[in-house]
Amino acid sequence: IAGITQAPTSQILAAGRRMTLRCTQDMRHNAMYWYRQDLGLGLRLIHYSNTAGTTGKGEVPDGYSVSRANTDDFPLTLASAVPSQTSVYFCASSERRSRLDLAKNIQYFGAGTRLSVL
Amino acid sequence: TQLLEQSPQFLSIQEGENLTVYCNSSSVFSSLQWYRQEPGEGPVLLVTVVTGGEVKKLKRLTFQFGDARKDSSLHITAAQPGDTGLYLCAGARPTYKYIFGTGTRLKVLA
Repeated sequence: IAGITQAPTSQILAAGRRMTLRCTQDMRHNAMYWYRQDLGLGLRLIHYSNTAGTTGKGEVPDGYSVSRANTDDFPLTLASAVPSQTSVYFCASSERRSRLDLAKNIQYFGAGTRLSVL
Repeated sequence: TQLLEQSPQFLSIQEGENLTVYCNSSSVFSSLQWYRQEPGEGPVLLVTVVTGGEVKKLKRLTFQFGDARKDSSLHITAAQPGDTGLYLCAGARPTYKYIFGTGTRLKVLA
């Protein structure tokens, strides 16, 4: 059982380059999320998707874009990386964003991608 | 703007000691979750609390949601080295996006 798979595990990137972080889940979850984790700031939501074909902005969306062409995949793209985007990026999924059934709001996280922009 | 503040930020204690971690906000949350994260891995959900004043126990861990649903605490009794990790609280906003706290890094020494 894979759950959530993120790739690459780590990456060093020159500033100005384009980079796509991959995220795939095999749980058929409707909702998916991208977070960045920085020391002292916790996890901050970048973008999310409630279901295939829809996306939304989180707390820190600038400089990032996402797409959700199908249920399983939710790639995160940095169009032109900058050093402030150095961080650990986590992808997560949940069965459904439901106010009435909190059990379906459990987020399952991938192992993360450690990105350094020089 | 960080809506959820956790304290302490770092905690190093001896095996067998008790500890409490706090998660505070000026905002009301419809529910609050606690996660534990180990190095090189993503966070793993421990518990969800929903009702103001609610208390949930998970073995030696006791979680409490404040009466006004603005704060929460995690109490660990007789801490063990296996409890070492980063503890994160996350509050659900009305739009059902989760706001994560700043984290408490716990180290339990044998």
